[in-house]
Amino acid sequence: GDSVTQMEGPVTLSEEAFLTINCTYTATGYPSLFWYVQYPGEGLQLLLKATKADDKGSNKGFEATYRKETTSFHLEKGSVQVSDSAVYFCALSNTGGFKTIFGAGTRLFVKA
Amino acid sequence: DTEVTQTPKHLVMGMTNKKSLKCEQHMGHRAMYWYKQKAKKPPELMFVYSYEKLSINESVPSRFSPECPNSSLLNLHLHALQPEDSALYLCASSQDFSGDNEQFFGPGTRLTVL
Repeated sequence: GDSVTQMEGPVTLSEEAFLTINCTYTATGYPSLFWYVQYPGEGLQLLLKATKADDKGSNKGFEATYRKETTSFHLEKGSVQVSDSAVYFCALSNTGGFKTIFGAGTRLFVKA
Repeated sequence: DTEVTQTPKHLVMGMTNKKSLKCEQHMGHRAMYWYKQKAKKPPELMFVYSYEKLSINESVPSRFSPECPNSSLLNLHLHALQPEDSALYLCASSQDFSGDNEQFFGPGTRLTVL
């Protein structure tokens, strides 16, 4: 079945450091790929998405590129802020499907 | 309005109580979801409604009973819960299933079962 694997955390960085959170997937067909973020005490919010191979999703300085050849969707940000401290979930959904498959989540701590 | 609202924010109940969680969206979305999220885990799908009809029940115990009174509202009725049911309950909606299925989440109800 479909699955998402993302790097285990927690990831601890200093402010202005470069961030990469790895995500790989296994899926039949051509899924859409997502990064959701969950801040402490809140629900999930969509951070960015990509719906086909080679698409780049971007938002708030975060980027991820849909790589079909490596089945990956790694999240990157050039300079993290304390306010980016949260849990990040990589996810996939097949078009016309009812389910979204979530990775285990990666907790990010950013120190001032 | 791109918001999904959930009430209450917090709920404490005994194992013999009956309570309900409520979710509302006014984005015209035709798919609505209930998820359960335990600490430090991803959301687990419980139920999916499509066009106000139950499409998926992920083998959820009958002490959880979903209801979709109309296209904007989703309820989760709770009865005779167990302490292990304590979790964050998230509601979500998406336009439908023809597109990429981007989901909009509410803030959740933090449920504690004593």
